[in-house]
Amino acid sequence: DARVTQTPRHKVTEMGQEVTMRCQPILGHNTVFWYRQTMMQGLELLAYFRNRAPLDDSGMPKDRFSAEMPDATLATLKIQPSEPRDSAVYFCASGTPRASGSNYGYTFGSGTRLTVV
Amino acid sequence: EDQVTQSPEALRLQEGESSSLNCSYTVSGLRGLFWYRQDPGKGPEFLFTLYSAGEEKEKERLKATLTKKESFLHITAPKPEDSATYLCAVLGGTAGGTSYGKLTFGQGTILTVHP
Repeated sequence: DARVTQTPRHKVTEMGQEVTMRCQPILGHNTVFWYRQTMMQGLELLAYFRNRAPLDDSGMPKDRFSAEMPDATLATLKIQPSEPRDSAVYFCASGTPRASGSNYGYTFGSGTRLTVV
Repeated sequence: EDQVTQSPEALRLQEGESSSLNCSYTVSGLRGLFWYRQDPGKGPEFLFTLYSAGEEKEKERLKATLTKKESFLHITAPKPEDSATYLCAVLGGTAGGTSYGKLTFGQGTILTVHP
């Protein structure tokens, strides 16, 4: 089965350090999402891309977060500087929405568990 | 803005005790309502997509139904292995618009099935 691959799986870093998370979406999918999951907030949409172009990043703290898709096989989420409140699990998902016919659920990666101390 | 509300937040069942989870939604131009299952330490796993009121989908002990305002996930004779968090999400937006394809999730229902 095709998979969305996220690296690293776990990351522990000190406050103020830069963190970069990577995602390899499923080949052929044109839409890529970044979500953050915490116990308190659930799954929050941070940003998403269609055909590598950013569509909506209103969910991200723009002073410290940035998301890019340098090519069709790689999406990155960067936090600089990191803060303890950024501790969460970050998920990437990919899919191709259709205007008509069947829409299959987006496929999620296994996530990056980030701990900022 | 699209909104999804799930209830209850947590549900404890005995093995074999059937029940239902609720997902209420408001969305501009529903393109699909999705149910996902999430196990601890893993990403959400796709279960069903529903498109229009009256539609039903089934998979093993799970059946999802849809009305114009809510969806139900019915669990019949659950087993301990059905324990997980169940997430509901809506796919909205107008084709060609920037919000098209945006998936908005509810908070989830944590289901625990005791043997």
